[in-house]
Amino acid sequence: LAKTTQPISMDSYEGQEVNITCSHNNIATNDYITWYQQFPSQGPRFIIQGYKTKVTNEVASLFIPADRKSSTLSLPRVSLSDTAVYYCLVGGNYGQNFVFGPGTRLSVLP
Amino acid sequence: SAVISQKPSRDICQRGTSLTIQCQVDSQVTMMFWYRQQPGQSLTLIATANQGSEATYESGFVIDKFPISRPNLTFSTLTVSNMSPEDSSIYLCSVEIAGGPKNIQYFGAGTRLSVL
Repeated sequence: LAKTTQPISMDSYEGQEVNITCSHNNIATNDYITWYQQFPSQGPRFIIQGYKTKVTNEVASLFIPADRKSSTLSLPRVSLSDTAVYYCLVGGNYGQNFVFGPGTRLSVLP
Repeated sequence: SAVISQKPSRDICQRGTSLTIQCQVDSQVTMMFWYRQQPGQSLTLIATANQGSEATYESGFVIDKFPISRPNLTFSTLTVSNMSPEDSSIYLCSVEIAGGPKNIQYFGAGTRLSVL
């Protein structure tokens, strides 16, 4: 399983764009990159998934360079409600065990 | 996607007792997982529960301490046995849907357990 490295914490202000980068140097060919968001007292919630280049949905964008050894989750114009822990996971096979790293604790300030 | 219900949402238990946590899914799924999340920490996988076979436990977790049942494709239970204060944690179940997007798990809200 590919190991991931993320910043432990980040601070931002309302209305700013936030970029969280995850390193996964030993990503395998069939691995996808998936990001989750977790609020206090809730289970993690799927945000976005990608394999290469750029993926965008109504919540976030995910940028993956050609070598796929890192990825960047971009949250446009964050609000206070985006304060949460964000996890980057790498995996490829159905049923493959997930290894959650420590995640990035994002604090959005007014 | 899938909707997952966990019961109880929280409990306070005495040491030496056992608690069974239930996980109900609104659709049939093959893969179910149980995680533990200690306060302020990340998630740690306890075991994978597949219908029709015994659960597969991760290193550091044993069946005698965390017996799991998986009687059908929509339901599973995790029992925390002979509890001690070190078992105080949040326990979460998740599911992965076959034929759906790869490696996307859907989580319940968790069970917050405090052991006195």
